[in-house]
Amino acid sequence: SAVISQKPSRDICQRGTSLTIQCQVDSQVTMMFWYRQQPGQSLTLIATANQGSEATYESGFVIDKFPISRPNLTFSTLTVSNMSPEDSSIYLCSAEGGKPYEQYFGPGTRLTVT
Amino acid sequence: RKEVEQDPGPFNVPEGATVAFNCTYSNSASQSFFWYRQDCRKEPKLLMSVYSSGNEDGRFTAQLNRASQYISLLIRDSKLSDSATYLCVVNGGNTDKLIFGTGTRLQVFP
Repeated sequence: SAVISQKPSRDICQRGTSLTIQCQVDSQVTMMFWYRQQPGQSLTLIATANQGSEATYESGFVIDKFPISRPNLTFSTLTVSNMSPEDSSIYLCSAEGGKPYEQYFGPGTRLTVT
Repeated sequence: RKEVEQDPGPFNVPEGATVAFNCTYSNSASQSFFWYRQDCRKEPKLLMSVYSSGNEDGRFTAQLNRASQYISLLIRDSKLSDSATYLCVVNGGNTDKLIFGTGTRLQVFP
């Protein structure tokens, strides 16, 4: 299984600002994913990040709001831009492990927008 | 219809009980199925993959019925430490995307 770390673990931000979340995997992986989990809800996929290509965004999520970088096979960032209180959520990154479709998650970033 | 449906619970069971969770999925092209466990304020952790032949890992048994598009998880001899939310997860057809159910909350009491 992959071991994944995320920074920051939590942050409180003012509306209108941006926050970049970093995700580091302990091994090279092809696919990395970014999710959002709102209070009391399950996980919603924001985008899939492949190294060397543009991220693929799910319906309802756009690159201008959630730009993603994937500079190498062990690292990715998600930026939450021009934040509003509705962006308050937990943001999780994941990566595929050794078996197809199995994903392992980072500890998450708890974001509060005031 | 939701892509992955679960009974949200909560299931409140005494230690030592056997409890079963069920899940249905809508995409008949899905190929991979999982149960994840999520503790309060923590990330989801892979509990087990679910195979067509069924699989067992200690006290946990997972079953898949492709014809009915139904997945189950059985926990025997429940422990207090089993208290968590159990997420049924299915891959989205022929993609790498995972679709998460809303989870079933289990509370095991002494």
